[in-house]
Amino acid sequence: ETGVTQSPTHLIKTRGQQVTLRCSSQSGHNTVSWYQQALGQGPQFIFQYYREEENGRGNFPPRFSGLQFPNYSSELNVNALELDDSALYLCASSPDGIRGYGYTFGSGTRLTVV
Amino acid sequence: AQRVTQPEKLLSVFKGAPVELKCNYSYSGSPELFWYVQYSRQRLQLLLRHISRESIKGFTADLNKGETSFHLKKPFAQEEDSAMYYCALSGNSGGSNYKLTFGKGTLLTVNP
Repeated sequence: ETGVTQSPTHLIKTRGQQVTLRCSSQSGHNTVSWYQQALGQGPQFIFQYYREEENGRGNFPPRFSGLQFPNYSSELNVNALELDDSALYLCASSPDGIRGYGYTFGSGTRLTVV
Repeated sequence: AQRVTQPEKLLSVFKGAPVELKCNYSYSGSPELFWYVQYSRQRLQLLLRHISRESIKGFTADLNKGETSFHLKKPFAQEEDSAMYYCALSGNSGGSNYKLTFGKGTLLTVNP
């Protein structure tokens, strides 16, 4: 059973640029969520995808967008990067939103915006 | 709205001492509560979920709906328990979106 894999592991971008982060969900999981973890904070929910449709979104502006593909892998896109977007971005997968199951997390992508 | 509060940013105990990491939550419905742990240089991983009422690595946590708490306890701490611990709440807020709301975490250090 493979876990959740994310790429790249580290990334440095310039303010105003666009970035795409990628995630492969754990085998058998069709729900993918993205979280932003700023330094010293707990992860914050960005959005969730279930069967290629967004089915929940946190308090993030529209320049944060995503996709889920038929194989349940996912992308997080951020446009017009700001310095405050510097954070660890975590992807998490879950089977079918089963209540109480919890999520399996990837190791994250460390994004630095300069 | 969902909210999770972990009042202690840092907690330091000696090996063999009891440990309790506090977690309080705010949620109008029936929540699912979890504890996640992150060891040094490792990914966030699920430690406990209240629905299964299990004990993992000697840790237990009981959901107290009256006090809206889900404290994590272990009677005898080990050095390998040193890690960052996050309490998280999952609620379905009117949909099938069981997003996780995390606390800010407690860094536990177990001294020899």
